[in-house]
Amino acid sequence: GAVVSQHPSWVICKSGTSVKIECRSLDFQATTMFWYRQFPKQSLMLMATSNEGSKATYEQGVEKDKFLINHASLTLSTLTVTSAHPEDSSFYICSARGYEPPKAYEQYFGPGTRLTVT
Amino acid sequence: LAKTTQPISMDSYEGQEVNITCSHNNIATNDYITWYQQFPSQGPRFIIQGYKTKVTNEVASLFIPADRKSSTLSLPRVSLSDTAVYYCLVGDSPNTGNQFYFGTGTSLTVIP
Repeated sequence: GAVVSQHPSWVICKSGTSVKIECRSLDFQATTMFWYRQFPKQSLMLMATSNEGSKATYEQGVEKDKFLINHASLTLSTLTVTSAHPEDSSFYICSARGYEPPKAYEQYFGPGTRLTVT
Repeated sequence: LAKTTQPISMDSYEGQEVNITCSHNNIATNDYITWYQQFPSQGPRFIIQGYKTKVTNEVASLFIPADRKSSTLSLPRVSLSDTAVYYCLVGDSPNTGNQFYFGTGTSLTVIP
């Protein structure tokens, strides 16, 4: 158990458009979901933490108006990159954490979404 | 927030045991230590987690000394498919308010 999916797995969009990425916990309820961005050959950079039914907490330097996060249910969180620009091209990864041990003490990661902005 | 330090890269021959050490001098009392593995263009995958002493599962062992200021991930008899980046995380639990730090990771290359 503890499978997290992301959709789409890759997306190409034009500069100025918006892109939505979905993150779903398929077989458990996720109290907390995390969104990361990863550039080539670099570590994961935490962008924001979201709890179901409440506003996301963004890391310093991450524009909340540009990266809209909605954690509408215990199994779904979405990240919308608004007015995307080429510098937003990156690998976006989500993870989810469950209610109780052991799922409360691990992050279950999605497969990632490759965003390319042209 | 406990930061972690790991070697940037390591090489090993197939069949050997690999030990990757992570330093976390500022680890807090409630912090767990978790290791993840990441292949290119994939999300990280949980390997093992521990609080103190030694933990072993079907893929790895985790050694944590009494002062908990470091931890060592041990991969027995590595194969080419173990070539990946390995991350050590400290914190990463509801007890610590979801505060954790993803370090640079260690890029392990297994050589035939």
